[in-house]
This record gives sequence, structure tokens and C-alpha cells, in this order.
Amino acid sequence: GAVVSQHPSWVICKSGTSVKIECRSLDFQATTMFWYRQFPKQSLMLMATSNEGSKATYEQGVEKDKFLINHASLTLSTLTVTSAHPEDSSFYICSASFKDTQYFGPGTRLTVL
Amino acid sequence: KQEVTQIPAALSVPEGENLVLNCSFTDSAIYNLQWFRQDPGKGLTSLLLIQSSQREQTSGRLNASLDKSSGRSTLYIAASQPGDSATYLCAVRLEDSNYQLIWGAGTKLIIKP
Repeated sequence: GAVVSQHPSWVICKSGTSVKIECRSLDFQATTMFWYRQFPKQSLMLMATSNEGSKATYEQGVEKDKFLINHASLTLSTLTVTSAHPEDSSFYICSASFKDTQYFGPGTRLTVL
Repeated sequence: KQEVTQIPAALSVPEGENLVLNCSFTDSAIYNLQWFRQDPGKGLTSLLLIQSSQREQTSGRLNASLDKSSGRSTLYIAASQPGDSATYLCAVRLEDSNYQLIWGAGTKLIIKP
């Protein structure tokens, strides 16, 4: 139980395009989901906290207009990287909270050319 | 501000050895502490979660301890195997947080056959 999926698992896009990443809780409802970014050989950095039905809370230094988060249902949150640039290339991981624990998705590798 | 530190940053040991990974945190007001494993280019696998009221948790060859007052946790791996090679991350959840986790930078473990 408590499985979180992400789609796509990897994506390559051209600079200036937008990319949407989906995070789904498969067998539970999650009122809160989190989006993390991880650069090579570094730990996870929290980008934003996503609450179902309300606006996401962004961490300091994360541009909310660039990283659009939508949490329209209790099982789905999406992260859209708008006008992506090479410096946005990273590993993006989502997690969903359930019974006092965060469950993590397998991650999405984004490469911006 | 809570800070989480993991020492060492990297560790290489021969197969079969017992080993200890360390995690320290600056604020003892934690809700729980969790140990994760991350394989290269992959998502996170939760290993053990210790509630603030607990002293240790065990799962197979893994044992995690928590000394909240001194701000320390250890992950003990018995009879290490090459398959244990991965990066191990610890994360603390604060008492007053909305499931938010504060992460250590990780310990990269290599088990030599």
C-alpha cells in the first residue's frame, strides 16, 4: 500500500518549452503533496508544499510563476516547469503524506537542451 | 533553524562488515526521524521511521537508534552486502510542521565484494 507514481520518468525538452510532471497517489488520498528537486550528488531540496484545493506554498527562492503547481484532486498533483532552461535540468521527486508518513514517487529526470 | 548533518559523506567497506551511519540534528523538537535509501538516478526507499518517543527500530539487518536529547541517530547495518551500496539519507520531521521534512546531505555507501 501507499504507492506514489510519477509520470513521465524522464523527459528531454528544448529550451523555452514547458514540461508537466504528474504525481499520483495510487491507493490512498493525500491532502498534502510535496515537490522536491535534487541536483547531482546533492540532497533533496523542498520546492513547494501542495495542499488539495488551495494554492501551493513555495520555499524561499523558488519562483512560483516558473514552477506551477496544481493539486486539483486528492490523488493528483502536477508540477509544470514553464519556459524551461538548461539550469532547470534536475531530478524532480514528489511525495504524498499519508498517516504521518511521506511516501515518495520514483522521480522524474528532466533534461533541458 | 533545524539543520541535519550526516557523517561521513562517503564510506567504503568490505563485504560482510558491520557499519554505522550517523545523523545529527540541531533542534531536538522533532516529531520523527526517518532513514531512506536512494540508488543512483532513482527515487527514495523508506527504510526505518522512528517516532520521537521511540529509541530504536529494527528491520532485518538494519537497526536505527534515536537519542532525541543529544540530537543523534544512527543507522546500523549488519553483515553488509554489495546490494547495500547506495546513498543513505536521514530526514527529520519537526513537531510543528505540516509533514515537512528536513534532510541531511546523505552518506554514499559502497560495499566492496
